[in-house]
Amino acid sequence: SYVLTQPPSVSVAPGKTASITCGGNNIGSKSVHWYQQKPGQAPVLVMYFDSDRPSGIPERFSGSSSRNTATLTISRVEAGDEADYYCQVWDSSSDLFGGGTKLTVL
Amino acid sequence: QITLKESGPTLVKPTQTLTLTCTFSGFSLSTGGVGVGWIRQPPGKALEWLALLYWDDDKRYSPSLKSRVTITKDTSKNQVVLTMTNMDPVDTATYYCAKRRTRFGEYHVWGQGTLVTVSS
Repeated sequence: SYVLTQPPSVSVAPGKTASITCGGNNIGSKSVHWYQQKPGQAPVLVMYFDSDRPSGIPERFSGSSSRNTATLTISRVEAGDEADYYCQVWDSSSDLFGGGTKLTVL
Repeated sequence: QITLKESGPTLVKPTQTLTLTCTFSGFSLSTGGVGVGWIRQPPGKALEWLALLYWDDDKRYSPSLKSRVTITKDTSKNQVVLTMTNMDPVDTATYYCAKRRTRFGEYHVWGQGTLVTVSS
């Protein structure tokens, strides 16, 4: 079965750039979606179809995907970006979420 | 404005069947492309997809839970119902329903979630 691999944690200083990866076999051929989840809250969509940003999501958030890795990039990181981030794909008639990455703002 | 809200028991006993209802507004499950899915999250753990139902009554299930899960809709009531049989303490989780706007797309709006505890 298909597996999505995310690093458990990423740390970044305020004002710097954070890159959160989502690895999967030939993930570049699939559509990848990203969600942000803060403690005690429901997930929020922050990126869809690899690099489309929903309305209301800051331009600091961007996405890309190639071959075996999809990446969510957050530029000029702010304290409010501290959260768990999950990638999601559709594969073989099923949805699949990655294991999540905790973004810590130092 | 699109909203979804989960409802159901907060506590179920092992071996019992769980029935959760997702009541939504701001869209119709009769509209082409639209789907409603269920996703759960055990305390401190990752999201896990459970099931998805499309406007045309096409249903998809997690391979690992397919034998225990059923998803249905009542279009007139704007509701999607998830049933899960033979509940176990490992099924303790927050259960979310979420709206999908295209067949292979993203969950662009989520409910607030409901915590279900499985314990005797």
